[in-house]
Amino acid sequence: QVQLVQSGAEVKKPGASVKVSCKASGYTFTGYYMHWVRQAPGQGLEWMGWINPNSGGTNYAQKFQGRVTMTRDTSISTAYMELSRLRSDDTAVYYCARDVKQQLALYFDYWGQGTLVTVSS
Amino acid sequence: DIQMTQSPSSLSASVGDRVTITCRASQSISSYLNWYQQKPGKAPKLLIYAASSLQSGVPSRFSGSGSGTDFTLTISSLQPEDFATYYCQQSYSTPRTFGQGTRLEIK
Repeated sequence: QVQLVQSGAEVKKPGASVKVSCKASGYTFTGYYMHWVRQAPGQGLEWMGWINPNSGGTNYAQKFQGRVTMTRDTSISTAYMELSRLRSDDTAVYYCARDVKQQLALYFDYWGQGTLVTVSS
Repeated sequence: DIQMTQSPSSLSASVGDRVTITCRASQSISSYLNWYQQKPGKAPKLLIYAASSLQSGVPSRFSGSGSGTDFTLTISSLQPEDFATYYCQQSYSTPRTFGQGTRLEIK
């Protein structure tokens, strides 16, 4: 069965960086794009970007350009999202999500359990 | 960027009610519209993709319709486990924007 298992909660100081991992199992890791979505406390869902695990190609939301880096390690079927220069408003739960591409359809069918990142001095 | 606007933002209903949530895109997105359900402390769960296709394992009381700019999610007979927050998302273009969410509460 498909599973996306994320790394544990993190507490960081403003200005630091955080790297969240998302380990995939139950399917061919390189066959599906992986997206990252975050959710601030009590707020809605915010799309951050995607990585193509096959090529390593990425596409980031403009809001995060220059601060976010998405990478992958195909040998262990794991995707990573690193966010730098953290601010207090980066406090959120960060999710990875598998992207399914079909004719006339694109959607996230599996999600990680979420990783809470708290930014506080 | 394509803006997604859901209405209402919150909704109170009773078990057995029929409920409809609407989602409007700022430009045509064909049928590239997905619906997710999220319960507190949990990851979102896919309900409907491509505007009207029911995800495997999702109860048939959930249905979606629409194309272009206007879409609806309908729950035909609310069950206790359906009280949650619902999000629409467009997948027509990047960034893959979400609506602001509709919180469905028990009346």
